[in-house]
Amino acid sequence: NAGVTQTPKFQVLKTGQSMTLQCAQDMNHNSMYWYRQDPGMGLRLIYYSASEGTTDKGEVPNGYNVSRLNKREFSLRLESAAPSQTSVYFCASSQYSGNLEAFFGQGTRLTVV
Amino acid sequence: SQQGEEDPQALSIQEGENATMNCSYKTSINNLQWYRQNSGRGLVHLILIRSNEREKHSGRLRVTLDTSKKSSSLLITASRAADTASYFCATDAPSNTGKLIFGQGTTLQVKP
Repeated sequence: NAGVTQTPKFQVLKTGQSMTLQCAQDMNHNSMYWYRQDPGMGLRLIYYSASEGTTDKGEVPNGYNVSRLNKREFSLRLESAAPSQTSVYFCASSQYSGNLEAFFGQGTRLTVV
Repeated sequence: SQQGEEDPQALSIQEGENATMNCSYKTSINNLQWYRQNSGRGLVHLILIRSNEREKHSGRLRVTLDTSKKSSSLLITASRAADTASYFCATDAPSNTGKLIFGQGTTLQVKP
């Protein structure tokens, strides 16, 4: 079992470029999440998906879009990257929304210059 | 604004001592979870306590929950250098419809 797999692990973008962060889980979980982590800010929820076909905004959704492609995959897209989006991004999944433990990927370190 | 806030932000203790971290939250919750993060890694789940529970144990971990004060504490007994990490509380609040919201974390350093 790979658990939660994120790609890429590192990425450098120029301001205005776009990119998609990929996340896949092999645990047959219903819920998936995208967080960003900045120094001193903890983890902030960007978007989440309670089940296949549904997505909902979190605490900091501006500048991002998501797609729940199927039960396994949940992608995060930056349409026009900004330096303020420099952060470490984590994908997570859980069997049910918030009621059971969440499993995290290893993170994507994104730098926007 | 974030649902949970940990206190202290940073804690430094000697190996063998106990470490206590606190988490306060703003709205009613279904459950509260604690996670650990080693530097540069993803978070790992430690323990979940439901809103109708007051205390829970797992190995050297003891978690308490006081819903009247909207607070929780995580106690690590007989700490080890390997416990050095950041610790986060996370809440699943009814008003958040299943969203898992994290606090800012406590950074624990255990000196050998």
